[in-house]
Amino acid sequence: SAVISQKPSRDICQRGTSLTIQCQVDSQVTMMFWYRQQPGQSLTLIATANQGSEATYESGFVIDKFPISRPNLTFSTLTVSNMSPEDSSIYLCSVGPDSSNYGYTFGSGTRLTVV
Amino acid sequence: AQSVSQHNHHVILSEAASLELGCNYSYGGTVNLFWYVQYPGQHLQLLLKYFSGDPLVKGIKGFEAEFIKSKFSFNLRKPSVQWSDTAEYFCAVRVSGGYQKVTFGTGTKLQVIP
Repeated sequence: SAVISQKPSRDICQRGTSLTIQCQVDSQVTMMFWYRQQPGQSLTLIATANQGSEATYESGFVIDKFPISRPNLTFSTLTVSNMSPEDSSIYLCSVGPDSSNYGYTFGSGTRLTVV
Repeated sequence: AQSVSQHNHHVILSEAASLELGCNYSYGGTVNLFWYVQYPGQHLQLLLKYFSGDPLVKGIKGFEAEFIKSKFSFNLRKPSVQWSDTAEYFCAVRVSGGYQKVTFGTGTKLQVIP
């Protein structure tokens, strides 16, 4: 399975600022996914990022708020823009399906607190 | 669009008790089904998956799940839990062959008491 390095692991940010989260994969992958896990809730898909094309956003998420870059097959960034306390959450990147076990691999997450 | 329901939000068991966590999905076509586990302070890990074939799927750490198509269910089971199974368990579904989006259930927190 792919190994994902995600950073930062946690951050505390001021309201109105932006944070960029990085996701590095140890192998080339076609699709990368960004999820949000709010306190006590399940994972919600924010967007899917394919290399060389615009990210596809899920209902309720917009590019202005969560711009995504996917410059190559091993790297992606998610920016949380103009943050408010409601953006406090864990953000995870994921890749898959894996060619060997068809599962999806997740990064360790970025715990964001907006104050 | 597909959706996933996990009926048990918080389960408390004593060690050696048997476990069954419910998972139901809504989608009329062919699906791939997953169970993921998140141990305290760790990231999500794949426990087991169903793509096709034998509806009884065996995963890591003694877990198994049974896909019952007529009931749209994919319940997770373990005959005898251990304290180390304390974690949050997520059921997930993906439409087979289509867009690779995976939809997760709300999760079940399992607490195993020694």
